[in-house]
Amino acid sequence: SFVLTQPPSVSVAPGKTARITCGGDNIGSTNVHWYQQKPGQAPVVVIYYDRDRPSGIPERFSGSNSGNTATLTISRVEAGDEADYYCQVWDSSSDYVFGTGTKVTVL
Amino acid sequence: QVQLQESGPGLVRPSETLSLTCTVSGDSISNYYWSWIRQPPGKGLEWLGYISNSGNTKYNPSLKSRVTISVDTSKNHFSLRLTSVTAADTAVYFCAGGVVLPFFDYWGQGTLVPVSS
Repeated sequence: SFVLTQPPSVSVAPGKTARITCGGDNIGSTNVHWYQQKPGQAPVVVIYYDRDRPSGIPERFSGSNSGNTATLTISRVEAGDEADYYCQVWDSSSDYVFGTGTKVTVL
Repeated sequence: QVQLQESGPGLVRPSETLSLTCTVSGDSISNYYWSWIRQPPGKGLEWLGYISNSGNTKYNPSLKSRVTISVDTSKNHFSLRLTSVTAADTAVYFCAGGVVLPFFDYWGQGTLVPVSS
């Protein structure tokens, strides 16, 4: 079954680019989904199927997935992007698995 | 727009059963896959189980013997039962769902359930 590892924290200055990784054995062979969770709120999907954005999610959010690492990239970071981010996969043996979560701090 | 709302007791005693309901509005419950997910205070997300649009269920193996998810289409809601709870089951419990299996389009606001005597 999948074990998904994320860095506990990422710090980024406003206007710069934040990259959040999600590591897992051959994760590139499945689809990865990303959620943003702000304090006291439910998670919101920001990327699904590796790189698709739901309506209403800014183009500044993008995703990629290859080999053993999936990456969520936030370009031109804004103060409002400060949140916890979780990757998630689904497969027939593991069902739903969430990553360990990354706290993004905007300096 | 689909909306979800969790409801249930605000406190559960150790060894008792935690029961929560998620009421779905905005569409028929039969069109989606539904899950329960929890988050202990200050920690990450843990998937507990799901019920499909055909009524099939799957559960997290770590909880399989204690968790049951059911659906009542007449009331457009689905439910969670978690038996023999301990303090380790204290968490915010979210209901969530999606049109397709792999990810969650919709989430409830979450409800904190402390387990304490």
